[in-house]
Amino acid sequence: DAGVIQSPRHEVTEMGQEVTLRCKPISGHDYLFWYRQTMMRGLELLIYFNNNVPIDDSGMPEDRFSAKMPNASFSTLKIQPSEPRDSAVYFCASSPTGLAGNTIYFGEGSWLTVV
Amino acid sequence: AQKVTQAQTEISVVEKEDVTLDCVYETRDTTYYLFWYKQPPSGELVFLIRRNSFDEQNEISGRYSWNFQKSTSSFNFTITASQVVDSAVYFCALSEQGGSEKLVFGKGTKLTVNP
Repeated sequence: DAGVIQSPRHEVTEMGQEVTLRCKPISGHDYLFWYRQTMMRGLELLIYFNNNVPIDDSGMPEDRFSAKMPNASFSTLKIQPSEPRDSAVYFCASSPTGLAGNTIYFGEGSWLTVV
Repeated sequence: AQKVTQAQTEISVVEKEDVTLDCVYETRDTTYYLFWYKQPPSGELVFLIRRNSFDEQNEISGRYSWNFQKSTSSFNFTITASQVVDSAVYFCALSEQGGSEKLVFGKGTKLTVNP
């Protein structure tokens, strides 16, 4: 079975540029999550969707970040404009039914460097 | 608020030694879920175990075992006869049923198994 698929795996961009990270969840999973991992803050939830609807975006750091899920098989996380402090690993994850009944499965991450 | 503490930042052992990774959590909910994930040097997050708050039975999976004790709010992870391939960062995480579908992670413990 295919796992959560993220692209790009690695991206280096210049400050001020727009960055778009993409995610394909596991088929049949109703929940999709975006996490960010940094040395300073560790792993933190940015936003999650249930059935393509954003439920909790309280972790999104600021207006420069936006996430969409136009259909059940695709989501994007966009940073515009990017800043060096956005450098991190961004993980997409999905879950069949949410954490009360199941676990969440992570993609391999998108390693973002903003110079 | 939910919180996970992994007091051991780094542990180094020699192959075949047993090692225990500590995890202490804080929550006000009576129903919650505990998880362990492994992050090998390649960077992906690999699910190891999920446990709900009503199930205090210890679990063993091969060389891995988990000790859940509600009385001390701990969910410790033991690797028996460690191997070099066990070298990774291990994360403990907590989700509360009463809250959002948020998985709160500890800072992780970096385990190095030397040959």
